[in-house]
Amino acid sequence: DGGITQSPKYLFRKEGQNVTLSCEQNLNHDAMYWYRQDPGQGLRLIYYSQIVNDFQKGDIAEGYSVSREKKESFPLTVTSAQKNPTAFYLCASSSSGGAGSPLHFGNGTRLTVT
Amino acid sequence: AQRVTQPEKLLSVFKGAPVELKCNYSYSGSPELFWYVQYSRQRLQLLLRHISRESIKGFTADLNKGETSFHLKKPFAQEEDSAMYYCALHNQGGKLIFGQGTELSVKP
Repeated sequence: DGGITQSPKYLFRKEGQNVTLSCEQNLNHDAMYWYRQDPGQGLRLIYYSQIVNDFQKGDIAEGYSVSREKKESFPLTVTSAQKNPTAFYLCASSSSGGAGSPLHFGNGTRLTVT
Repeated sequence: AQRVTQPEKLLSVFKGAPVELKCNYSYSGSPELFWYVQYSRQRLQLLLRHISRESIKGFTADLNKGETSFHLKKPFAQEEDSAMYYCALHNQGGKLIFGQGTELSVKP
């Protein structure tokens, strides 16, 4: 079954700890994205990558880091510098990253930091 | 600034009534616009895109460059249309910018 897999579904961490969210796709897509979804704020772009070994900051990159060492993987690390890390995180991919290329989304990871 | 605005957080209609979910955008170039939908307990998925000029599940959306709008319309709402709807703009740099979302509730 082709698609995007995010793991884990739920994640709990203590404040001050870094945590890494996994995102894997087997669609052979070039572009991958991380969004944060908060009630009333829609989806906000954290980071995106249009090609392996390259990525760009989105609108709310502070406190987050990513890597794109493999085409199929785009892990997101939520660092202790992120002031409000508790949120629902969505990963997505698209075939080319160009305008007009629709996104395919994962099921999301709900992160709770206490 | 590039921005997508969905002015309604919640839209509630009765089954069989027409529905229009509003979307306005701010973008200096030629926009590529999309509507995404998230049904309960399902992942976010593409509903339609303006370049296709298609009708999906009875929904249509027309790009109005003069009014910078891309409203989503359906003449007769069904209960299964109840979901969260997001309007999105894809810019030339590869970023997909989403609106805040509108929750559509179709009552029997």
